[in-house]
Amino acid sequence: AQKITQTQPGMFVQEKEAVTLDCTYDTSDPSYGLFWYKQPSSGEMIFLIYQGSYDQQNATEGRYSLNFQKARKSANLVISASQLGDSAMYFCAMRGVNTNAGKSTFGDGTTLTVKP
Amino acid sequence: DTEVTQTPKHLVMGMTNKKSLKCEQHMGHRAMYWYKQKAKKPPELMFVYSYEKLSINESVPSRFSPECPNSSLLNLHLHALQPEDSALYLCASSHMGTGSYYEQYFGPGTRLTVT
Repeated sequence: AQKITQTQPGMFVQEKEAVTLDCTYDTSDPSYGLFWYKQPSSGEMIFLIYQGSYDQQNATEGRYSLNFQKARKSANLVISASQLGDSAMYFCAMRGVNTNAGKSTFGDGTTLTVKP
Repeated sequence: DTEVTQTPKHLVMGMTNKKSLKCEQHMGHRAMYWYKQKAKKPPELMFVYSYEKLSINESVPSRFSPECPNSSLLNLHLHALQPEDSALYLCASSHMGTGSYYEQYFGPGTRLTVT
């Protein structure tokens, strides 16, 4: 079984500042992938960043980086230089090698509000 | 092209109606998914198609009937729905591969209201 925990239901950040969204996971799979998705109020889920469990370096994509600490089973998303358009719900998700192909486990999400 | 399209954007239907949701992608993905999402909750997986074959059915009631006519299209046929089925229905697609974990690309969703 897999579990994703996002402990911050809501977060606020000032525009242009950095923010960290927390994600911890639990799995018995020896190999797995971790994902972050953004969902604006319009509804579409947007893929942001991916981290493989055997990747040596933390993933980065533009203003997004993933702080991956395997021993702590955490995969926190860092957004640098926040913009008003970053206001959205953010989901952490994972897939494991022993999971039925296609099944992802999602956390409950964190609602981020960027203040001007 | 990294777009997944869904139609309609909004749908209001009565409990005796029959309607269909449509999803299309042209990214060559061989896995396609239907999710149901209630407000402020994570998406719940309903069905997965792999290479046009149904590979996962998460014990979804038979009033939801998926169909994958070809590798680019995914339908969800709706019949005799209940008010609690009102939700955002998201379609997604991804590559498939052993030992790899591919990101999913989601469509904009269909907001369904059952009256």
